[in-house]
Amino acid sequence: EDKVVQSPLSLVVHEGDTVTLNCSYEVTNFRSLLWYKQEKKAPTFLFMLTSSGIEKKSGRLSSILDKKELSSILNITATQTGDSAIYLCAVSPQTGANNLFFGTGTRLTVIP
Amino acid sequence: EPEVTQTPSHQVTQMGQEVILRCVPISNHLYFYWYRQILGQKVEFLVSFYNNEISEKSEIFDDQFSVERPDGSNFTLKIRSTKLEDSAMYFCAIKDSGETQYFGPGTRLLVL
Repeated sequence: EDKVVQSPLSLVVHEGDTVTLNCSYEVTNFRSLLWYKQEKKAPTFLFMLTSSGIEKKSGRLSSILDKKELSSILNITATQTGDSAIYLCAVSPQTGANNLFFGTGTRLTVIP
Repeated sequence: EPEVTQTPSHQVTQMGQEVILRCVPISNHLYFYWYRQILGQKVEFLVSFYNNEISEKSEIFDDQFSVERPDGSNFTLKIRSTKLEDSAMYFCAIKDSGETQYFGPGTRLLVL
């Protein structure tokens, strides 16, 4: 059965800290891994990763995929209170419609 | 980022009643999806829709669920006879030829 596991489940840090969120997966015919940020309602897209070792970067956020270890990390540097959210990892298999399988998420709380 | 709206934002219904949740993408897209998130749990795939027919569906998507695009624009999810356990946030997502899915703001369904 396809599975996505995220760790830690929750994390509390102070503003300015750097955090690393982890995602590991077991999926048949892996196609891509996606990171989303969920604040109040809808998941908003952050990154999509398909190739190992290529870092994707957007401002203070970055992410990288390791297909050998079946895992990905999401880094956030110089955290701000606005980074407080649930960060979701999802994996898309090589099926026709590329449905997403989500992990349970990491709840990040950034304290001023 | 493609824009997707969903109506209603909240719906309260009695057990056994039918509900219709609507997804309105601002522009035309290739793939449509419904996901649900029970409070405190992970986002779960329900169904994908491509070329006016169901592409894939999960075990959750049983006979009480149906989807359609009645006017070529709105994408609807119908739950025929709601149960208490259908209470959840329901997200519509869209995708084009790439692999990134973009989510709508969700409909919070409460079944009493």
